[in-house]
Amino acid sequence: AQTVTQSQPEMSVQEAETVTLSCTYDTSESNYYLFWYKQPPSRQMILVIRQEAYKQQNATENRFSVNFQKAAKSFSLKISDSQLGDTAMYFCAFMMGPNFGNEKLTFGTGTRLTIIP
Amino acid sequence: KAGVTQTPRYLIKTRGQQVTLSCSPISGHRSVSWYQQTPGQGLQFLFEYFSETQRNKGNFPGRFSGRQFSNSRSEMNVSTLELGDSALYLCASSIEPGQGARGYTFGSGTRLTVV
Repeated sequence: AQTVTQSQPEMSVQEAETVTLSCTYDTSESNYYLFWYKQPPSRQMILVIRQEAYKQQNATENRFSVNFQKAAKSFSLKISDSQLGDTAMYFCAFMMGPNFGNEKLTFGTGTRLTIIP
Repeated sequence: KAGVTQTPRYLIKTRGQQVTLSCSPISGHRSVSWYQQTPGQGLQFLFEYFSETQRNKGNFPGRFSGRQFSNSRSEMNVSTLELGDSALYLCASSIEPGQGARGYTFGSGTRLTVV
C-alpha cells in the first residue's frame, strides 16, 4: 500500500517570503501522480500543482513549484512571494497511474501554513 | 460553470439514525469519488462511481454505501450512525476514470455531526 508522509504539522512565514513544505511517499510502482492540494477555511480542496512521475522536469504553476526527487521519493512544494491568501492546510497526495484502474487519492496528514502580515 | 455541489452543508444526526448526503458533479463530469476527513484519520477514500457503477471502494464498513444516478449525481448513505462517523465528507469529480490524474475538483463538503 502507498503511504504519504508530511512531517511538518504547522508552519508560518512572513508575507512575501518563500516557504517550502515537505512530503515523502512510499510506493513500489513507477507510474503514478503526485499532487499538492490546498484546503482553506472554506473547506474546499483546491488543486495547487501536479506532477507526473515519468516526467523528470519539476512542475511549476506561477508562484508554486515542486522539487520532485523520484529516487528519494520526495515531493516538496515551494511557495514564492507568499500571500495572505496562501494561508490554508496543504495536503500532499498520491495517485496510481490510470492503468491500475484505481484513481483514489492517498493523502498525507497535512501542513497548516499561516502567512503572517 | 458551476462547481461540485454538496448538500447539505451541515448536518446533525443522532446515534443509530441514518443519513444521506448528495453530490452534484461539474457538468460533463461523470466520475464521482467520496472522501471522509476526520482529525484522527485524516482524509480517507470511501468510494468511486462512474456510469452508475461503483468502481472502487475504500476500507469502510458496510454501513457506508453509495450510488450514482444517470445524470451523474451521487449520493452516499451511512446507516446506524456512530459517534465516530462525525466528519467532513468531501465529494470530488472528474470527467471520467483516468482523468483524475489531471486533478479532481472537490466540493466544499458536508459536515456531519453525530450526537
